[in-house]
Amino acid sequence: EDKVVQSPLSLVVHEGDTVTLNCSYEVTNFRSLLWYKQEKKAPTFLFMLTSSGIEKKSGRLSSILDKKELFSILNITATQTGDSAVYLCATPNAGGTSYGKLTFGQGTILTVHP
Amino acid sequence: SAVISQKPSRDICQRGTSLTIQCQVDSQVTMMFWYRQQPGQSLTLIATANQGSEATYESGFVIDKFPISRPNLTFSTLTVSNMSPEDSSIYLCSVVGLAGDYEQYFGPGTRLTVT
Repeated sequence: EDKVVQSPLSLVVHEGDTVTLNCSYEVTNFRSLLWYKQEKKAPTFLFMLTSSGIEKKSGRLSSILDKKELFSILNITATQTGDSAVYLCATPNAGGTSYGKLTFGQGTILTVHP
Repeated sequence: SAVISQKPSRDICQRGTSLTIQCQVDSQVTMMFWYRQQPGQSLTLIATANQGSEATYESGFVIDKFPISRPNLTFSTLTVSNMSPEDSSIYLCSVVGLAGDYEQYFGPGTRLTVT
């Protein structure tokens, strides 16, 4: 069974801090790893990673994948209160009857204080 | 990325009743999914909505309780039948685009409270 584990489960920082969120995975037929930000109801897509060592970047957020060690990190620099959210990583099932199904980690609750 | 809308955005229902949630996408997509997120939990897949055929349900979810329709490549409905308070959750549809590149986007969600 596919497994995705995130750490830490919660994190409290002050504005301006840099944070690193971790995601490790054990999946058969790995194809990609996705990061989402969830504030109220719906997860908002951040990144999809498929290749090792290639950093994806969007503003203050960046992410990288290590397919050898089976993990990914999400970095947020110069954090702002608007970054407070639950950050989820997930991998899609790449075969079988549940093709495309996302297996999610538990999520990291990030709280940024002013 | 696809623009996804869901209706209703929230509802409060009495136990024993049913609610149908609609998911509309602004472009054709290959795959549509329905997820549930119970309070304090991560997302759990209910089923894959298949266009023109019966949905594929995950273990623990059955068609009688969660009937799903997908008449075309841009629209799907999920019905939560004979509701009980345990069905109080956020229900989310998600889609994978025609490129099939596994970028999966979520609709805004429906917050359901059953009293």
